[in-house]
Amino acid sequence: AQSVAQPEDQVNVAEGNPLTVKCTYSVSGNPYLFWYVQYPNRGLQFLLKYITGDNLVKGSYGFEAEFNKSQTSFHLKKPSALVSDSALYFCAVISLGDYKLSFGAGTTVTVRA
Amino acid sequence: KAGVTQTPRYLIKTRGQQVTLSCSPISGHRSVSWYQQTPGQGLQFLFEYFSETQRNKGNFPGRFSGRQFSNSRSEMNVSTLELGDSALYLCASSSGLAGVYQETQYFGPGTRLLVL
Repeated sequence: AQSVAQPEDQVNVAEGNPLTVKCTYSVSGNPYLFWYVQYPNRGLQFLLKYITGDNLVKGSYGFEAEFNKSQTSFHLKKPSALVSDSALYFCAVISLGDYKLSFGAGTTVTVRA
Repeated sequence: KAGVTQTPRYLIKTRGQQVTLSCSPISGHRSVSWYQQTPGQGLQFLFEYFSETQRNKGNFPGRFSGRQFSNSRSEMNVSTLELGDSALYLCASSSGLAGVYQETQYFGPGTRLLVL
């Protein structure tokens, strides 16, 4: 079975500081990994994904993620956080053969001014 | 391109009733997936449809069903509602090409269902 884990329920950072949201995965075969963000009372917005190739993936709104095969991690990063980045972030993996996204529990990010 | 749309956005039902939710995918997308989001269980996969056929199903009771129409629009039905069915129901679409698992799924705003 394929799964992802987000070890932190909450991440708090000051505006302008670097932001990191952690994700580890467990898959058999090649991992297809995704990050989504959810703002209050909204659906999920796609940020970025890793399929193959460069370990550093760049996405929307200045976010990037680093794929690390040896550590089975796919951490989301932003060099300088904004108050508007405050939201719920989900890491997900696609299950080969059934098109199903398996999500982590989510990490609430709060960026204080 | 218009995004994924879901109707209605909010619903209040009572136990024992049934409900139908609707999802219109992005134009050209043929795969529609449904997810349930609750504070306790997080995001859980319900089922996925492609070309009017259910390709995958999650671990939900038979009270949860769906269908897809020839224009790729999809409906989800929950019969005999229970209090625990209160959730945000999210629909996602992708082109759904066979064997291409790494496609991005794009989500709608969701339908928030409250069961009293």
